[in-house]
This record gives sequence, structure tokens and C-alpha cells, in this order.
Amino acid sequence: GAVVSQHPSWVICKSGTSVKIECRSLDFQATTMFWYRQFPKQSLMLMATSNEGSKATYEQGVEKDKFLINHASLTLSTLTVTSAHPEDSSFYICSASRAGLPYEQYFGPGTRLTVT
Amino acid sequence: AQKVTQAQTEISVVEKEDVTLDCVYETRDTTYYLFWYKQPPSGELVFLIRRNSFDEQNEISGRYSWNFQKSTSSFNFTITASQVVDSAVYFCALSESYSGGGADGLTFGKGTHLIIQP
Repeated sequence: GAVVSQHPSWVICKSGTSVKIECRSLDFQATTMFWYRQFPKQSLMLMATSNEGSKATYEQGVEKDKFLINHASLTLSTLTVTSAHPEDSSFYICSASRAGLPYEQYFGPGTRLTVT
Repeated sequence: AQKVTQAQTEISVVEKEDVTLDCVYETRDTTYYLFWYKQPPSGELVFLIRRNSFDEQNEISGRYSWNFQKSTSSFNFTITASQVVDSAVYFCALSESYSGGGADGLTFGKGTHLIIQP
């Protein structure tokens, strides 16, 4: 149990376009979802935290108008990279936790974004 | 603010050797969780262990063992009799609590790239 999926697993888009990444909890209700970004050969950095039905909380330095996060249901959160640029190319990973077990975070397999 | 330091950027050992990955953390909270994850080349994070701040017992799981010492703010990870399949990047991470009773996102260390040579 406690499986998190991401779609797509990889995406290539042109500079200036927007791309949406989905994060789904397949067999549990995710009250909180987190989005991380990982540049090549670097660590994971928390971008934002989203609770179902609430606005996401962004970490310092993360542009909320550029990285739109929606957590409209207990099983789905989306990250939209708007007006993507090559510097947004990265590995994006989501994680999810459920009510009553906030310290158990289940990670998705990640989405590799390449902006050309 | 919380911080996780993994001073070893890369470690290379020969198969069957024991290897210890160091992790030092900083936090002002009394309640927190520490984690270790393995990230193989595929990129998907593999959960290894979670330990809360009130449980200082060491843990052993097969060839893996963890040593948690609050006195030195360390949570080290040892692989005994290493195997080539252990080659990966290993991350130590910290999660603090907040007033709502939930948890923050994880703060990761920079990772240690472990290379096991045959």
C-alpha cells in the first residue's frame, strides 16, 4: 500500500510553454502533498507544501506565480510550470502523507522536465 | 532553521567491505524525525528508515544498521559486507514538527554517492 504515482515520468517542452505534472496517491487519501526539485547531482529541495483544499505554502525563493500548485482532491496534486525556461529543467518529485500519519511520507517516482 | 550535513560527497569501497555514511543534523525542535533514503540511477527514492527524536535505539535491518546519537546530533548509516547493488546516492533527511501536529517537508542533506567496486 501507500503508492504515489507521477505523470508524466518525463517531458520535454519548448521555452515559454507551460507544463503540468500530476501527483496521485493511488491507495490512500493524501491530506498533505509536498513538491521537491532536484537538479543534476544535487540534493532535493522542498518547493512547496499543499494541503487538500488550501493554498500551497511555498518555500522562500520559490516563485509561486511560476510554479502553480493545486491540491483539489485527496488523491491528486498538480504542479504547473508556467512559461518554462531552460533553467527550470530539473527532476521534480512529489510526496504525500495521510491524516494521522504526517511523518510517513511516500514519494512518487519523479518527473524529469527538460526545457529546450 | 534545520540543517542536514553529509560531509562525505563520495565514497568508494571494494565489495564486501563495511562502509559508514555520516549524517549530522541541526534543529531547534525537540520533536523531529530523521530519515535515510537510497536513490539509484533511476532517480526513484527508496525509503530505508525513519526514526523519531525520542527513540535513540540503534536499529539493524539485515546488512544495514543505523546509529542515532542525540548527544552528537548524528544519525549514521552502516552497510556491512557491501554489495555492488548498494551503489547509489544516499540521502539523510530531517523533518520537524509544527504546531498543527503535522510535519514539515523534509530537509535533505547533499547526499553521499556510494560506489561499490566488484
